[in-house]
Amino acid sequence: DAKTTQPPSMDCAEGRAANLPCNHSTISGNEYVYWYRQIHSQGPQYIIHGLKNNETNEMASLIITEDRKSSTLILPHATLRDTAVYYCIVRSGGDYKLSFGAGTTVTVRA
Amino acid sequence: EAQVTQNPRYLITVTGKKLTVTCSQNMNHEYMSWYRQDPGLGLRQIYYSMNVEVTDKGDVPEGYKVSRKEKRNFPLILESPSPNQTSLYFCASRQQGALGYTFGSGTRLTVV
Repeated sequence: DAKTTQPPSMDCAEGRAANLPCNHSTISGNEYVYWYRQIHSQGPQYIIHGLKNNETNEMASLIITEDRKSSTLILPHATLRDTAVYYCIVRSGGDYKLSFGAGTTVTVRA
Repeated sequence: EAQVTQNPRYLITVTGKKLTVTCSQNMNHEYMSWYRQDPGLGLRQIYYSMNVEVTDKGDVPEGYKVSRKEKRNFPLILESPSPNQTSLYFCASRQQGALGYTFGSGTRLTVV
């Protein structure tokens, strides 16, 4: 799996958009970008994934650069409940393993 | 409700006393996996299963066993637990293809 680089932490104001960057410069053509989050020792929660097109669901949007070497997860209106560790992971569709890095600790402040 | 159910949520046991942590999913997923999470080390994969009767080692399989006799169940077995297996354990499952995993709520195990 390609390695990812994320900032260790970031703060966000409640109600504002949170933009979480991820670098994955060695990503292969068949590898997807996945985002998960973990809220204080709960099980990680799948958020969104994409291959090369931008994706949006009820939780977030995923913007992948044209060269696929980086991506941004956007939480459009952050709430206090979005405070969590966010993990950016790249893997191919057939891979059985998720390799979690340290992630980004996001703190949403009132 | 679609979910992965782990039991127990909390367990304190003594060194050497065999234990089993159960994991069950109701989504008919092919893939299941066990992870442990430790401070400073993050989430590490213990074992995974691609389907019934098909399992393989992850990154940290020593001291653990698994079985996959039915599609919905994937128990984690500690034959002789040791204090270094004190950890937070997560079970996860997903459908075939490029989809996301669903994780259970976790089992916090303490071995004294």
